[in-house]
Amino acid sequence: GAVVSQHPSRVICKSGTSVKIECRSLDFQATTMFWYRQFPKQSLMLMATSNEGSKATYEQGVEKDKFLINHASLTLSTLTVTSAHPEDSSFYICSARQVQETQYFGPGTRLLVL
Amino acid sequence: AQTVTQSQPEMSVQEAETVTLSCTYDTSESDYYLFWYKQPPSRQMILVIRQEAYKQQNATENRFSVNFQKAAKSFSLKISDSQLGDAAMYFCAYKGVPQGGSEKLVFGKGTKLTVNP
Repeated sequence: GAVVSQHPSRVICKSGTSVKIECRSLDFQATTMFWYRQFPKQSLMLMATSNEGSKATYEQGVEKDKFLINHASLTLSTLTVTSAHPEDSSFYICSARQVQETQYFGPGTRLLVL
Repeated sequence: AQTVTQSQPEMSVQEAETVTLSCTYDTSESDYYLFWYKQPPSRQMILVIRQEAYKQQNATENRFSVNFQKAAKSFSLKISDSQLGDAAMYFCAYKGVPQGGSEKLVFGKGTKLTVNP
């Protein structure tokens, strides 16, 4: 099956610093990747859709200058949380779309901002 | 806008028994995809099963099967011979087709399934 990796799995940073999260499709090329945020005991909230070689499309209410997304290749997308604050602490999940419309998810990254 | 409703926040089942998780959705599109994803305590989202709306036959994957009722906009998941490893949050999701539809997955709020030994 399709495998998606995320790195790091968890990160702790100080308030005001920036954090980069990588999402890779390991055994397929993904023209489209998605970034989600999940609060405890809640469903996934889509933050942005990332297409290879073009600018990401952000959902309403998501600050594009705070959550920078880059999709430089067919197997890698990155999410950078700039000037992180404690309210940015959350579980971030990426997914990659293979053929036939199915999204496969990475294992997630737990971010804690102190 | 499309919506997905999972009316059962929590369900429980005895090991080896069968359980059905409910999902309804609202859409004006005629062609779309439906999915069930499982999220165990590890929080890794795992695809359980998918259904194309144009297919009348219900999808099955081993112990997992769906009851897809297009007219009723219902997409329930049946888990047979439940195992302890089936304990997880289950999310129902909808996706339109690319032409005129959205690339996004629309998720329900999830159903927490507990499997009792």
